[in-house]
Amino acid sequence: GENVEQHPSTLSVQEGDSAVIKCTYSDSASNYFPWYKQELGKGPQLIIDIRSNVGEKKDQRIAVTLNKTAKHFSLHITETQPEDSAVYFCAAGQGAQKLVFGQGTRLTINP
Amino acid sequence: GAVVSQHPSRVICKSGTSVKIECRSLDFQATTMFWYRQFPKQSLMLMATSNEGSKATYEQGVEKDKFLINHASLTLSTLTVTSAHPEDSSFYICSAREQGDTQYFGPGTRLTVL
Repeated sequence: GENVEQHPSTLSVQEGDSAVIKCTYSDSASNYFPWYKQELGKGPQLIIDIRSNVGEKKDQRIAVTLNKTAKHFSLHITETQPEDSAVYFCAAGQGAQKLVFGQGTRLTINP
Repeated sequence: GAVVSQHPSRVICKSGTSVKIECRSLDFQATTMFWYRQFPKQSLMLMATSNEGSKATYEQGVEKDKFLINHASLTLSTLTVTSAHPEDSSFYICSAREQGDTQYFGPGTRLTVL
């Protein structure tokens, strides 16, 4: 079955700098890769997703890149702000099947 | 759009009692709903997948008689924790999917069993 590895587990950056979180997956059949942001005591919120037919997707300060050959995908947050502090989860899935989640990255933005 | 609600947000119960958690998709019809459990500082653990009108599919190691799931309509799924014990205390989160692959999560329910 699918296995998703996420790094780093914790990340601390200065406000205004960029943050990058990386994930690798094992199943080459996976074709859907969402990223979720979870704030303390809340449910995960979908922030961006990418499908295997594209290599990059951007939404304002957030971007995701996908390398199908290497089976890894990354989340890029630019111009970080204190409200970006949260736990971020990557996931991989195939069509309508279940998602497999990474272990999570605790991102802290230092003012 | 794509709003999922859960009720209650917090529940405290005595050991041995049963607790029901509701998950609703407010602005779309959810053909599939998922139930997750999350321990502090850990990732999401999928418990079961439910499709409207059919029996839930449980993940390995999840007791189906203990965690009863009902998906009676396209907007409502319920999770009942039967004969709850302190080790069942956790954060339970549902997600819902309309068509395709995108899952939207509810806000979660914090269960504390005394």
